[in-house]
Amino acid sequence: AQKVTQAQTEISVVEKEDVTLDCVYETRDTTYYLFWYKQPPSGELVFLIRRNSFDEQNEISGRYSWNFQKSTSSFNFTITASQVVDSAVYFCALSEAGGNEKLTFGTGTRLTIIP
Amino acid sequence: DAMVIQNPRYQVTQFGKPVTLSCSQTLNHNVMYWYQQKSSQAPKLLFHYYDKDFNNEADTPDNFQSRRPNTSFCFLDIRSPGLGDAAMYLCATRGMAGGPTISYNEQFFGPGTRLTVL
Repeated sequence: AQKVTQAQTEISVVEKEDVTLDCVYETRDTTYYLFWYKQPPSGELVFLIRRNSFDEQNEISGRYSWNFQKSTSSFNFTITASQVVDSAVYFCALSEAGGNEKLTFGTGTRLTIIP
Repeated sequence: DAMVIQNPRYQVTQFGKPVTLSCSQTLNHNVMYWYQQKSSQAPKLLFHYYDKDFNNEADTPDNFQSRRPNTSFCFLDIRSPGLGDAAMYLCATRGMAGGPTISYNEQFFGPGTRLTVL
């Protein structure tokens, strides 16, 4: 069975600080995909990144960066120089490869950026 | 712009009164999903369609049904809503490799319908 754990329920940081959201996953599959989604107060889930299990390269997109480490089954997300607009709930998710690729979500981390 | 649309955004129904939520997509994606998200919880998959093939999650109550009359539309029917069914309902789509979108693996979500049961 697949499982995603986001141990941080809520995080608050002051604007312009860096913040890292942790994600640990469990799966028996050798091929799988990892995702991060952002859910602002409006409710829509916004796709941020997809990473497949064979690609351990870290990725940077503007102020966002992701650190994927298979050895520790972690896929952490860092926001650099946080802004108030980053305030949202962030979900890490895992899907099997092939077939219908259902998403297993973590419980989410509520991030509040204090002006 | 191509997108996933959900109507209505807010729905109020009475205990036991059937309600239908709708989802449409302009992405021409093969797969459509319905998730239920209760307050401060992760989205939970109810069921999904792979083209016309319906796939129900084992723990989805019989009270929840779905219809997909064509590629673009998918409906969620709650036959007898209870107070515990109050939640945000999210529709998502996913394309397939070789399809019209190169981003075939990620799911694209609609804005959700927030259901209130009185």
